Amino acid sequence: GIQVEQSPPDLILQEGANSTLRCNFSDSVNNLQWFHQNPWGQLINLFYIPSGTKQNGRLSATTVATERYSLLYISSSQTTDSGVYFCAVVERGFNKFYFGSGTKLNVKP
Amino acid sequence: DGGITQSPKYLFRKEGQNVTLSCEQNLNHDAMYWYRQDPGQGLRLIYYSQIVNDFQKGDIAEGYSVSREKKESFPLTVTSAQKNPTAFYLCASSTGRSAGELFFGEGSRLTVL
Repeated sequence: GIQVEQSPPDLILQEGANSTLRCNFSDSVNNLQWFHQNPWGQLINLFYIPSGTKQNGRLSATTVATERYSLLYISSSQTTDSGVYFCAVVERGFNKFYFGSGTKLNVKP
Repeated sequence: DGGITQSPKYLFRKEGQNVTLSCEQNLNHDAMYWYRQDPGQGLRLIYYSQIVNDFQKGDIAEGYSVSREKKESFPLTVTSAQKNPTAFYLCASSTGRSAGELFFGEGSRLTVL
């Protein structure tokens, strides 16, 4: 199956700082999503972004499908941004989702 | 509101007992999934179903069973054969097409005493 790697594994930020999270994948994909897992365990959909760029408030994401990576940008971070960010992909021709191991973000006040 | 409902949110069981976790969706999605998450770890696929009356094993199916008798329901049974059942279990659904967006329920925390 497709390999999904996220970096960095851990990230500590001061409130107000910006950050970039990366997701690399090993093959062509039909689907790429970013999720935020909050401290209660719930997975929140951030972006559905198999290609191109999207923005939602302080968050934006870019996927360069031809180079097999996606970036999640968090600007002016807040303590509520803390949690784990997961990238998930669906390999072209299949219907199974593959998850990266996540980036654990801790935003300090 | 449309969404995915998992129950119970918290469950305790004694060793040797089977337990069934419920997952219901009203999104009219064809595909449903069960994932397991251990503390500090990522998500691992247990079972998935792309259509009613059909399901496939994921990466860690041993000790688990599922059924898909109705489109909206995909219950997971954690059997006594599962050696380390204490975990956080997440149910998800999508349209079933490979480009369909995935949505999650709130999860069920199972603790084996």
